[in-house]
Amino acid sequence: NAGVTQTPKFQVLKTGQSMTLQCAQDMNHNSMYWYRQDPGMGLRLIYYSASEGTTDKGEVPNGYNVSRLNKREFSLRLESAAPSQTSVYFCASSEGPYEKLFFGSGTQLSVL
Amino acid sequence: GESVGLHLPTLSVQEGDNSIINCAYSNSASDYFIWYKQESGKGPQFIIDIRSNMDKRQGQRVTVLLNKTVKHLSLQIAATQPGDSAVYFCAEGNQFYFGTGTSLTVIP
Repeated sequence: NAGVTQTPKFQVLKTGQSMTLQCAQDMNHNSMYWYRQDPGMGLRLIYYSASEGTTDKGEVPNGYNVSRLNKREFSLRLESAAPSQTSVYFCASSEGPYEKLFFGSGTQLSVL
Repeated sequence: GESVGLHLPTLSVQEGDNSIINCAYSNSASDYFIWYKQESGKGPQFIIDIRSNMDKRQGQRVTVLLNKTVKHLSLQIAATQPGDSAVYFCAEGNQFYFGTGTSLTVIP
């Protein structure tokens, strides 16, 4: 099993550009999450989807949008990238809320 | 709001010694706690979890202790190995919030 797959692994954007980070899981999990991790800091939740068809804001949703395309896929979109969005982004999934998370390998994003 | 924090940002131990990593939480209603390990350049990986109806849970070389009275949990790693060098995070409940992590360095 691949688990949680994120693409791309690296990305450089110019301020104002848009992009979509892709995430897919093959574990038939109900819940999916997007976190960002800045140097020396913990994970901060951007958005989550408790189940297919639902999405909710996390701690730091400003500047981002998400789409739960189906049960497998959960994408994160930056409409107009800003330097403050330079970070490592992790997607995760779980069987449901209050269950252990399985993380992808991350996307390192730099916004110049 | 909720907070999950760690007492020490860094910890160095000799190979073969036991390691103890501590974590405090503020939400007394939390009933699920979980530890993750993050190696450099990788995503966090589940280590062990515990629910509030337990005080202790053991895994392979790891033990998690939960003290609900003082809202504290700890991760104990027995016979620490170089491969245990990583950042360790605790999280609670719905895992919307993570602490800043403790960086464990194992000295050969």
